[in-house]
Amino acid sequence: EAGVAQSPRYKIIEKRQSVAFWCNPISGHATLYWYQQILGQGPKLLIQFQNNGVVDDSQLPKDRFSAERLKGVDSTLKIQPAKLEDSAVYLCASSPPLGRGGSYEQYFGPGTRLTVT
Amino acid sequence: GDSVTQMEGPVTLSEEAFLTINCTYTATGYPSLFWYVQYPGEGLQLLLKATKADDKGSNKGFEATYRKETTSFHLEKGSVQVSDSAVYFCALRSLSGYSTLTFGKGTMLLVSP
Repeated sequence: EAGVAQSPRYKIIEKRQSVAFWCNPISGHATLYWYQQILGQGPKLLIQFQNNGVVDDSQLPKDRFSAERLKGVDSTLKIQPAKLEDSAVYLCASSPPLGRGGSYEQYFGPGTRLTVT
Repeated sequence: GDSVTQMEGPVTLSEEAFLTINCTYTATGYPSLFWYVQYPGEGLQLLLKATKADDKGSNKGFEATYRKETTSFHLEKGSVQVSDSAVYFCALRSLSGYSTLTFGKGTMLLVSP
């Protein structure tokens, strides 16, 4: 089966510009996650969706970050305006619904490397 | 809150050497524990997991045992290969919340021929 797809793979922008990332989860996966991975650190959860709804966005900087998951499938993460400290790899992950033998296991995409100059 | 502490890297080994990467955690209750691996330019892949005390997760020659008494989940492999060079992340999933993973900072492993 196809894995989690993300685009673009790399993005370089100047501070105060805006940027958007796209994620297509594994087919049938109800839960979708966005993580921020700063160089030298482990991934940090930004937002978690269950189908269309947000279940956890407590660590999302809502003054500049936004995310949506239309129709419970694809998702976009936006940063506006970007700051230097937003330079990181943005990882998308998905997991299957528990009712269908799911086990909370998260499957990760390759990530988008963002550089803010 | 929940936290995971891993040994700092890089860990540099020769091929066929024994590997240990230490991981300890702080969490309420009995979390599930995971090791993820990240190869250069790729996303994280689940390497192994353990869901209760004394469980041993294993995969591709790697093993880790869930030790509740020491709150540890150390990763081991008896004989590493050059292809094992990657960054290894220890993570936990607390029983509270919505299956959120808490990751350690990662440990880079470099294996030379």
